[in-house]
Amino acid sequence: GAVVSQHPSRVICKSGTSVKIECRSLDFQATTMFWYRQFPKQSLMLMATSNEGSKATYEQGVEKDKFLINHASLTLSTLTVTSAHPEDSSFYICSASLSTGNTEAFFGQGTRLTVV
Amino acid sequence: RKEVEQDPGPFNVPEGATVAFNCTYSNSASQSFFWYRQDCRKEPKLLMSVYSSGNEDGRFTAQLNRASQYISLLIRDSKLSDSATYLCVVNMKNNNDMRFGAGTRLTVKP
Repeated sequence: GAVVSQHPSRVICKSGTSVKIECRSLDFQATTMFWYRQFPKQSLMLMATSNEGSKATYEQGVEKDKFLINHASLTLSTLTVTSAHPEDSSFYICSASLSTGNTEAFFGQGTRLTVV
Repeated sequence: RKEVEQDPGPFNVPEGATVAFNCTYSNSASQSFFWYRQDCRKEPKLLMSVYSSGNEDGRFTAQLNRASQYISLLIRDSKLSDSATYLCVVNMKNNNDMRFGAGTRLTVKP
């Protein structure tokens, strides 16, 4: 299957700092990528849809100024958690698909963010 | 009503048991359906797609009932390695807008 690489896999940062997470499609071009957040023992919750060359579409309740998404190329989307707080500590994961339509999603390995 | 609902479990079964998971979805226009498996602290991985006619892959059988907006996963002859969280995933639109159920936790015991 297609490969999606996410980096870093784990990060610890201080409150008030910003953290950037990268999501790359290694062997295909992804016009659309998705960012999810998962708290312990809970489901993946869609945060935003990242579209190459245009603004991301955020889900209700997700602050766009806090979670900055940039999708500057067909193989890279980044999520920046700005002014991180301990409540932002979570498992963040991206996904991409080969094309529009009814195809499976391929997930990055996820990033475990801990804000201290 | 949640977009995708699953029984969270946990399901604790002995090796060799047969176990079934159910999932319902709210959007009747949903395009496609999947079961994913997620191990602790790992990303979800596709277990199988769910087709209208039902499909089987080894010990795993998936069923779809569009009229009832219901999906199921049956695992036969459970193995210890089947212990994981099983996620029901629904593609809400034709742009891979995937929505996840909360997941059903399965533990297979010796």
